Amino acid sequence: GNSVTQMEGPVTLSEEAFLTINCTYTATGYPSLFWYVQYPGEGLQLLLKATKADDKGSNKGFEATYRKETTSFHLEKGSVQVSDSAVYFCALRRAQDDKIIFGKGTRLHILP
Amino acid sequence: DAGITQSPRYKITETGRQVTLMCHQTWSHSYMFWYRQDLGHGLRLIYYSAAADITDKGEVPDGYVVSRSKTENFPLTLESATRSQTSVYFCASIRTRQTNTEAFFGQGTRLTVV
Repeated sequence: GNSVTQMEGPVTLSEEAFLTINCTYTATGYPSLFWYVQYPGEGLQLLLKATKADDKGSNKGFEATYRKETTSFHLEKGSVQVSDSAVYFCALRRAQDDKIIFGKGTRLHILP
Repeated sequence: DAGITQSPRYKITETGRQVTLMCHQTWSHSYMFWYRQDLGHGLRLIYYSAAADITDKGEVPDGYVVSRSKTENFPLTLESATRSQTSVYFCASIRTRQTNTEAFFGQGTRLTVV
């Protein structure tokens, strides 16, 4: 079936470090892929998205590339800030129905 | 204000009681969803709706009831609350069926069943 797997957290980094959060998916057809971010006490908000193979989504210094050959959508940022501390969710929206499938989330802590 | 709002933000209820969580969106989005968020499980889909009067079960629908008589509202009812339903509940909406459109989330309702 369709699923999203992302790396377990929490991930703790120092400010200005390089960030990678791995995400892989299984799906039939050609889903759209998303990264959402959840700041403490808030709902999820879209961080970036990619809708077809080789698309790169980017926002606020974060990037992720839709890799169909490896079924991956890894999130990267070159230099993280304390304000990036949050929970990050990888998700897919599948074509055959209207559901959005989320990964379990990765909690990120950035130390000053 | 425009957007998607949930009420209440916090709720404590007793086991066996019926409780309804409200969700209202001002965009006239077609699709609406209810998720619950629990440690170790991420977000799990409870119910979703493609339009008014059309609803379908998600991954964990047992113990929940939904209705959608108007496009803008999608209430979630726990018919007889249990402790296992203690969670944070999120409502979301999506404008169209196109898979490249993202979901917009409410602020969440933290429900505690004692």
